[in-house]
Amino acid sequence: QVQLVESGGGVVQPGRSLRLSCAASGFTFNTHTMHWVRQAPGRGLESVAYISSDGSRIYYADSVKGRFTISRDNSKNTVDLQMNSLRPEDTAVYYCTRDRSNCWFDPWGQGTLVTVSS
Amino acid sequence: QTVVTQEPSSSVPPGGTVTLTCGLTSGSVSTTNYPSWYQQTPGQAPRTLIYRTNSRSSGVPDRFSGSILGNRAALTITGAQADDESDYYCLLYMSSGSVVFGGGTKLTVL
Repeated sequence: QVQLVESGGGVVQPGRSLRLSCAASGFTFNTHTMHWVRQAPGRGLESVAYISSDGSRIYYADSVKGRFTISRDNSKNTVDLQMNSLRPEDTAVYYCTRDRSNCWFDPWGQGTLVTVSS
Repeated sequence: QTVVTQEPSSSVPPGGTVTLTCGLTSGSVSTTNYPSWYQQTPGQAPRTLIYRTNSRSSGVPDRFSGSILGNRAALTITGAQADDESDYYCLLYMSSGSVVFGGGTKLTVL
């Protein structure tokens, strides 16, 4: 079945870096745009970044532009999010999700928690 | 910057009907924004309910339906059940290439 599994979350000090990874299975990974979406504690969903199927088109939310980098390896069916210069406001559960026909997201991973705190 | 708006909260009695909406601070929502809707309960990942305005995702009961009402996208729950009590988020695709979530609606069934 289609599955997305995130990893790499944890507790990190402000200003440090963290790399999240999402492993995909059960579908043809190299035909789908992939997204990272986050949810701060008690808050709503926020689109963070996405990368097109071949990696040629990348988009970042203004809140992370210049600090986060999304990448993918279609040979390994993974999509990563490199997060640098982390801030307390980056504390959130980070979800990986698949784009369906540039219209909707499905499925969603279980999420990985990132806590930025000194 | 255009913001996607949703009612912060709503309530419905068991068995009742409720409509949640999703709008834009500037302009109208149309089918070209490909509105989709997601249900989320505390501690869980979102679950896809509706895509492309009015198509139900696999396994979603037909008491959930989507539409465009005036200048907003809408999610209607007919015959609400206790386990429909959740947070609901809409998602819109913008012509700029961005994808934007609404702030979410907390639905209470009582």
